[in-house]
Amino acid sequence: DQQVKQNSPSLSVQEGRISILNCDYTNSMFDYFLWYKKYPAEGPTFLISISSIKDKNEDGRFTVFLNKSAKHLSLHIVPSQPGDSAVYFCAASFPQGGSEKLVFGKGTKLTVNP
Amino acid sequence: ETGVTQSPTHLIKTRGQQVTLRCSSQSGHNTVSWYQQALGQGPQFIFQYYREEENGRGNFPPRFSGLQFPNYSSELNVNALELDDSALYLCASSAGSFWTDTQYFGPGTRLTVL
Repeated sequence: DQQVKQNSPSLSVQEGRISILNCDYTNSMFDYFLWYKKYPAEGPTFLISISSIKDKNEDGRFTVFLNKSAKHLSLHIVPSQPGDSAVYFCAASFPQGGSEKLVFGKGTKLTVNP
Repeated sequence: ETGVTQSPTHLIKTRGQQVTLRCSSQSGHNTVSWYQQALGQGPQFIFQYYREEENGRGNFPPRFSGLQFPNYSSELNVNALELDDSALYLCASSAGSFWTDTQYFGPGTRLTVL
């Protein structure tokens, strides 16, 4: 039972264009969402997060949008750069309780072509 | 560079054996979380330790156990290895025990069970 779904295993975009990575979740109890980026042979690196009380969070070229009614979030990268080529994981957590787990999607491999 | 290191990088074991994986967290980080990432999947939460006490556990059997030490190092122990335990094992450290605290991942240990 996959609670966090990234339905696109891969995405390819041209340098300078927008990259949009999507994530859907099934559990309405999730209240905090994160995006991680992972390069080969490295651990995931935190990119950006959003609380369920917001619908948008921006950090430089990266913006995360949350649509709670659709249980959908997306990560926009504008403009995309070749160095953004990596696997992107969406993750979600339950309300703060100390013992709840963080649930990851399977990831989307982004390739930004020069 | 996240300041989180893991050893060994790679490990090969046979079914039924026991294995210990090690993680060194960033100084001052009181929380360490362990994840299992199977091929083509996202990281799956195994458990979290906060100030040397287990602080949450995912859907993993008791043969997965851990320890956290005062010197910001920790261990993941797996007994009675099974073929399905073959995966990348990631540890992540954070200053606090909440998912809103940024986690810093190590590069992982690749375990192969034959």
